[in-house]
Amino acid sequence: GAGVSQTPSNKVTEKGKYVELRCDPISGHTALYWYRQSLGQGPEFLIYFQGTGAADDSGLPNDRFFAVRPEGSVSTLKIQRTERGDSAVYLCASSSIADTEAFFGQGTRLTVV
Amino acid sequence: AQKVTQAQTEISVVEKEDVTLDCVYETRDTTYYLFWYKQPPSGELVFLIRRNSFDEQNEISGRYSWNFQKSTSSFNFTITASQVVDSAVYFCALSEAEAAGNKLTFGGGTRVLVKP
Repeated sequence: GAGVSQTPSNKVTEKGKYVELRCDPISGHTALYWYRQSLGQGPEFLIYFQGTGAADDSGLPNDRFFAVRPEGSVSTLKIQRTERGDSAVYLCASSSIADTEAFFGQGTRLTVV
Repeated sequence: AQKVTQAQTEISVVEKEDVTLDCVYETRDTTYYLFWYKQPPSGELVFLIRRNSFDEQNEISGRYSWNFQKSTSSFNFTITASQVVDSAVYFCALSEAEAAGNKLTFGGGTRVLVKP
């Protein structure tokens, strides 16, 4: 596709459940980023991949959050034992190399009830 | 640690008025990049501009212009002759050259409402 694709666009889950959010970056982009945006706030960095490896995961809030990018393309953000405070829009972005502008997807709105 | 502050939470203007969005940043790096993104109601962040810390020239792109002043750590954004389609949330962001990749620190955003 032409842009960054994120699925699902909306996800409602019950507290304590496990969720997976998917990001399909722009073809050929080696750098991939996950951000979390709470209502009324700016996005906050979670994790950065360069190829298959997580180059910086300093933004992951705790060990319930984990992300993978096994083949250096699609990435999955995994959240275990979801809590109501995890409710937010999760944004994915990709860039061709690490220091160029990042292009964002439309996000996945996660609601934990 | 880096920080980006957008003091204006919401600005309301009438179409054709100019609107200026303020952005103040903090960083210890001497080499860094500054960005502006637009977030329309659809939610996708749209890239507007990237400026490196060594380039203090102001930039104009159509109705958009940016004023970078290193002395005051500010990177302000002006929309000239605003249009209803400019209604969105605008984010200023910073990335440090010493950080891995293009990790962005965002401000809290400024919501711009342009009324017809």
